[in-house]
Amino acid sequence: AQTVTQSQPEMSVQEAETVTLSCTYDTSESNYYLFWYKQPPSRQMILVIRQEAYKQQNATENRFSVNFQKAAKSFSLKISDSQLGDTAMYFCASWQGGSEKLVFGKGMKLTVNP
Amino acid sequence: GAGVSQSPSNKVTEKGKDVELRCDPISGHTALYWYRQSLGQGLEFLIYFQGNSAPDKSGLPSDRFSAERTGGSVSTLTIQRTQQEDSAVYLCATIGLANTGELFFGEGSRLTVL
Repeated sequence: AQTVTQSQPEMSVQEAETVTLSCTYDTSESNYYLFWYKQPPSRQMILVIRQEAYKQQNATENRFSVNFQKAAKSFSLKISDSQLGDTAMYFCASWQGGSEKLVFGKGMKLTVNP
Repeated sequence: GAGVSQSPSNKVTEKGKDVELRCDPISGHTALYWYRQSLGQGLEFLIYFQGNSAPDKSGLPSDRFSAERTGGSVSTLTIQRTQQEDSAVYLCATIGLANTGELFFGEGSRLTVL
C-alpha cells in the first residue's frame, strides 16, 4: 500500500529564513511521482513542486526545492527566503500510475512570522 | 471553465438531512476525484471517475455516501442522512491530460452538520 508520512504537525519560521519540511513515503512501485501542495487559508490547494521518481536531479521552483532521497524514501521541501505569503498548510503526496490515486500525508501547518 | 468550480462553498445542515455537493471540472479533463478533509487531517480519498469506466468507490466511508458524474463532466457527491462526523471540507479535483498525478483542485465545499 502507498503511504505518506509527515511527522511534523506544525512549524514556524521568521520571514526571510529558510525552513525544511520533511516527508517520508512508502511505495512498491518503481514509477511514481511526488508532490508538495500548499493550502492557504483560502482552502485552494496549489501545487508547489513535483518530482519524478526516475529523475535523480532534485526539482527546483524559484524559492522552493526538494531533497529527494530515493533509497531512504524521503522527500523534503526547502523554502528559502520565507515570505508571509508562505503561511499555509503543506501536504506531501505520492502518485502511483497503477493505482491512479494521489495519496496525501496529514499535512503540516507552516507559519511565517514578520 | 478555467478551473474546477465547486458549489456550495459552505453548507450548514441539520443531522439527518441529505446534502448534494457539486463539482464542475476543467473542460477536457476526464478524470475526477473527490477527497474529504476533516479538521486537522490530511486528504482522504473518496471516489474517482475516469471516462466511461466504472468509478473507483473504494474510499467512500459508508453507504450513505454516493457520487455520480453525468456525461463525463459535472459530478455530484450526495450524503444521505448526514451525521456530525460528516462535517468536513469536500474537495473535488481533476487530473491533467499528462496523467502524472498533478491534480487541479476546486476551493472545496465546507459542510457543517449540526
